[in-house]
Order: sequence, then structure tokens, then C-alpha cells
Amino acid sequence: DTAVSQTPKYLVTQMGNDKSIKCEQNLGHDTMYWYKQDSKKFLKIMFSYNNKELIINETVPNRFSPKSPDKAHLNLHINSLELGDSAVYFCASSQAGIYGYTFGSGTRLTVV
Amino acid sequence: KQEVTQIPAALSVPEGENLVLNCSFTDSAIYNLQWFRQDPGKGLTSLLLIQSSQREQTSGRLNASLDKSSGRSTLYIAASQPGDSATYLCAVTGMKTSYDKVIFGPGTSLSVIP
Repeated sequence: DTAVSQTPKYLVTQMGNDKSIKCEQNLGHDTMYWYKQDSKKFLKIMFSYNNKELIINETVPNRFSPKSPDKAHLNLHINSLELGDSAVYFCASSQAGIYGYTFGSGTRLTVV
Repeated sequence: KQEVTQIPAALSVPEGENLVLNCSFTDSAIYNLQWFRQDPGKGLTSLLLIQSSQREQTSGRLNASLDKSSGRSTLYIAASQPGDSATYLCAVTGMKTSYDKVIFGPGTSLSVIP
């Protein structure tokens, strides 16, 4: 059973399109996250979300929006995709960050 | 602002050697420090989690230490194997951040030569 699963694994799309990446966790964690790993392999947090609060990294463009239908899901919606959005996006979850983080396997987004 | 660095950026060793990877962080107010492994084109696999009250954690051939006061952690790998080749990332969860987040270091790329 995969603890944190993301779909799709690969996504190739044209500039200007709108796309979503889905994430689900079956760990019962209360907080979920989205991270972006750029071409230099550096991981940066984009969003942190639990039942009560969405916290946004202020450097993230407002074209990116997380959507959480329930506690076990946190989807990432991206509007008007740009070339610079090409990266690997990782979903993660934790129990308030206290007991470490579990990551999904990533979604490689390529914007052409 | 918490900053995490890792030394060396890359390391190549012959099989069987013991090795140490280093991680430094600037703000000692942390909940925990976690070591991850990332294989090319893959996700992150958690290796060891050290809570702020702990000094070290061990799993098999891996041993991670934490010196919170000096802002340092080391990952010790004993008797390295070619299968250990990967990028190793350390990440800290801070107490003083504006939101519950983990800050990653840039990683150490390890290559174990058969």
C-alpha cells in the first residue's frame, strides 16, 4: 500500500494550459504539503495545509492553488502554465511535522 | 531565517569504505532533523528521523547524529555498497518558521564504485 501517492507520474503540456496534480495519503496525517524540485534539484516548499489552515509560501505565484476535498487529499491546480513551471512536484504528509515527513514519488511536469 | 547546507556536494568512494556526510543548519530551534535518500528520477525515501531531544539514531549500516547546539548533523554509512549510490538530503523542521515546513539542504550526491 502506497502511503503517499501522486498522479500522474509524468505530465507534458503546452504553455497556457491549466492542469492538476492529485495527491492522496493513507497515513491519517493531519497536514499535507506540496514541494517543487527545480532543475538544480533543490526542494522548496510551496504549500502547507491542514484542516484548519492553508499556509502559502509567499514566493509561489497565485497561478498555483491547492485544493483539498478532504483530509486525505491535497491536489495542486496550476493555471496558465509557463515554461518555468517545468519541475518535479512532490506531495508530502506529516502529523504536525513532529514525526517526520513521508513523500510521494513525484510528478515530473514538462511545459512545452 | 533557517538555512541548511550540506558538505560535500558530491562524494565518490570505493565499495566497502565507511563515509560521513555532513549537514549544518543556522537556527537551532528545531523540532527534528530528517535524512532522506533520493535515487535519480525517484521520490524521497526517509532514512532516519532524529527528534530535537535525541543525539543519534541508527538503522542498519546507517547512523545519524545530531548536535543541536552547534547546528550540525552527520550521517555515517558503514561498509558502503554500490546500492548506496544516491543523493542524500537532510531536512530540518523549525519551530520559528511562519508555517509548519521542512527546510531541505542541497544534498550530497554519493557514488560508490564497485
